[in-house]
Amino acid sequence: NAGVTQTPKFRVLKTGQSMTLLCAQDMNHEYMYWYRQDPGMGLRLIHYSVGEGTTAKGEVPDGYNVSRLKKQNFLLGLESAAPSQTSVYFCASSYSRTVNTGELFFGEGSRLTVL
Amino acid sequence: AQSVSQHNHHVILSEAASLELGCNYSYGGTVNLFWYVQYPGQHLQLLLKYFSGDPLVKGIKGFEAEFIKSKFSFNLRKPSVQWSDTAEYFCAVNQVGAGSYQLTFGKGTKLSVIP
Repeated sequence: NAGVTQTPKFRVLKTGQSMTLLCAQDMNHEYMYWYRQDPGMGLRLIHYSVGEGTTAKGEVPDGYNVSRLKKQNFLLGLESAAPSQTSVYFCASSYSRTVNTGELFFGEGSRLTVL
Repeated sequence: AQSVSQHNHHVILSEAASLELGCNYSYGGTVNLFWYVQYPGQHLQLLLKYFSGDPLVKGIKGFEAEFIKSKFSFNLRKPSVQWSDTAEYFCAVNQVGAGSYQLTFGKGTKLSVIP
C-alpha cells in the first residue's frame, strides 16, 4: 500500500497565482485533513473532511479551499497565493467513525514557496 | 477549545543521556494521546499512542510515555538517546466523543543529540 500520497512535493509560485495540491489515500479512510507546518508553530489544521462530499474549516482556513469529490482524494486549492502561505503542507487521513481512535497517517509533505 | 503545551522548544543532549519531553493538555474529558516524530526532511510518524488501560505505554525505538490523568500530562521518555533520535517530537490529543474528528498538536520539541 502507498498510504497517503501528496503531489506535487515542491512548488514555487508567484504572488497571485493559483494552484492545487492533491492528496490521495488508499486505506479507505473516511477522514482526511490538510495541515500546514511552520517553524515554531507546530501543525495547524486548515480544512478537513469527514466523508466524501463533505468539508469543514479548521483552525486556519482563510485563503484556502478544499474539495472531496471522491473518498480517496482530498484537494487543497490556493486561489490567489500570498507569501504568508509559504509553508510545508501535510495531508493526513484516519479511520472510519466506528473506529475513531484519532490516529492520523501522514503524507510526505508538499513544500510551497510563494514569491 | 482544547490546547496542547510542549514545554521545551529545543532540547540538546549527548548520546546515552536520558530524555523526558513534557506534554500537557487542557481538555477535561476522555482523550486519546499521541506522540509523533518527524525526522529531518520527513513526514510525521506515530511513535506511540494511549487510548485506555495501562497508563505507561511503550512505543517504537525504546520510547515510552506515561499518562497522568490528574496532571493532564503525557510525557515522553527514553532512558538512553542515540544520535539517530535527532528529530522533532509532537504531542497530540484527540477528544473522545461525538464530533471529535481532529487531533490538536503541540508546537513541537526539537531534539538534537550530540554524538
